Amino acid sequence: SQTIHQWPATLVQPVGSPLSLECTVEGTSNPNLYWYRQAAGRGLQLLFYSVGIGQISSEVPQNLSASRPQDRQFILSSKKLLLSDSGFYLCAWSRGPSGELFFGEGSRLTVL
Amino acid sequence: AQKVTQAQTEISVVEKEDVTLDCVYETRDTTYYLFWYKQPPSGELVFLIRRNSFDEQNEISGRYSWNFQKSTSSFNFTITASQVVDSAVYFCALNGGFKTIFGAGTRLFVKA
Repeated sequence: SQTIHQWPATLVQPVGSPLSLECTVEGTSNPNLYWYRQAAGRGLQLLFYSVGIGQISSEVPQNLSASRPQDRQFILSSKKLLLSDSGFYLCAWSRGPSGELFFGEGSRLTVL
Repeated sequence: AQKVTQAQTEISVVEKEDVTLDCVYETRDTTYYLFWYKQPPSGELVFLIRRNSFDEQNEISGRYSWNFQKSTSSFNFTITASQVVDSAVYFCALNGGFKTIFGAGTRLFVKA
């Protein structure tokens, strides 16, 4: 069966510090991968998606970046965090471009 | 542009009541997919259903049912005989290609 994990689950970071969130998928190959952000009490905003290794599409221009160094690994990064980067970050995968999304447990980021 | 509107921000019901969550979408695509997801207090989103634009048959799964009407661009979700465990945020979502966009969500409170 397929599983998805992301970490860390919770982190508190000062403004201006770097960020790295990791997500891995097991049990499938060549998944479509996604990073979403959910601000407190709000809906999900698509940040990045990837259809293959090294292929990243950005949906929202900001100080975040994503990378896919391996087929089933997706990383969300920032060189310098802003207060507005606080939120709940969710990694997800799908079998195809229009398939249902399977989400990780989420990473709650607080920038102080 | 694609858009998903969930006009109901919060709904509160008493256990055993029926409740309908509304979803209205906008898209110019002729082929698209609609989804519902549940986000319990733990935060991890759970896939509930996927429908394609060519299948307007209503679907029932236990206490859950979905009504898809292309004429009104709606994909509503009904929970029959609600239970406390149904308390969660429910998201409607739309996919017309590689990206899935979400509505703002409806928070459902089911009181015992």
